[in-house]
Amino acid sequence: QITLKESGPTLVKPTQTLTLTCTFSGFSLSTSGVGVGWIRQPPGKALEWLALIYWDDDKRYSPSLKSRLTITKDTSKNQVVLTMTNMDPVDTATYYCAHRRPSTTHFDYWGQGTLVTVSS
Amino acid sequence: QSALTQPASVSGSPGQSITISCTGTSSDVGGYNYVSWYQQHPGKAPKLMIYDVTNRPSGVSNRFSGSKSGNTASLTISGLQAEDEADYYCSSYTSSSTLYMIFGGGTKLTVL
Repeated sequence: QITLKESGPTLVKPTQTLTLTCTFSGFSLSTSGVGVGWIRQPPGKALEWLALIYWDDDKRYSPSLKSRLTITKDTSKNQVVLTMTNMDPVDTATYYCAHRRPSTTHFDYWGQGTLVTVSS
Repeated sequence: QSALTQPASVSGSPGQSITISCTGTSSDVGGYNYVSWYQQHPGKAPKLMIYDVTNRPSGVSNRFSGSKSGNTASLTISGLQAEDEADYYCSSYTSSSTLYMIFGGGTKLTVL
């Protein structure tokens, strides 16, 4: 059974760096083809894909946020970490991590999401 | 890169069928059979309903079906039920070297 859970601060101040952790079970990020992605959703707005890391440490980022994002993995801990620098109130959103099966392009399992508010 | 275009809202009565469109370009929807659809109820995480344009994950009702023509993909829900009321998002793989996928703006389905 695949599960994912996001964790991190619920409130950050403008200009600060956000660090979110996705802790998962039921699969290994060392398995060929597996990926874990991050997606966010501002309140009342649409989903926005942020980043994806593959089993082989290949990484993809949203072009509009690439300069602010870093995605890493710790295979031994079954964790993926997303950092976003220079946070702004417009970054207030629910942040989700999700699992990608080998040889697919969709996310089949999602975490419950974590709401991050950016405010002074 | 712009999001995929979906209607903001659609509605239907119980038992009816509705279709939600998702329009992209030849670099995403039109170029690959990698369109997926997600259902999201308020306060919940998205749930995969359709992948690779037409495929349903195990456990998803066969009332949900997907198709594609050119740069536009569609999600059809037949035999509408009250529990189908939710937001629906399409997404597509994209050929941009730096991008991986893009989502649509979402469609609010109301069951009258």
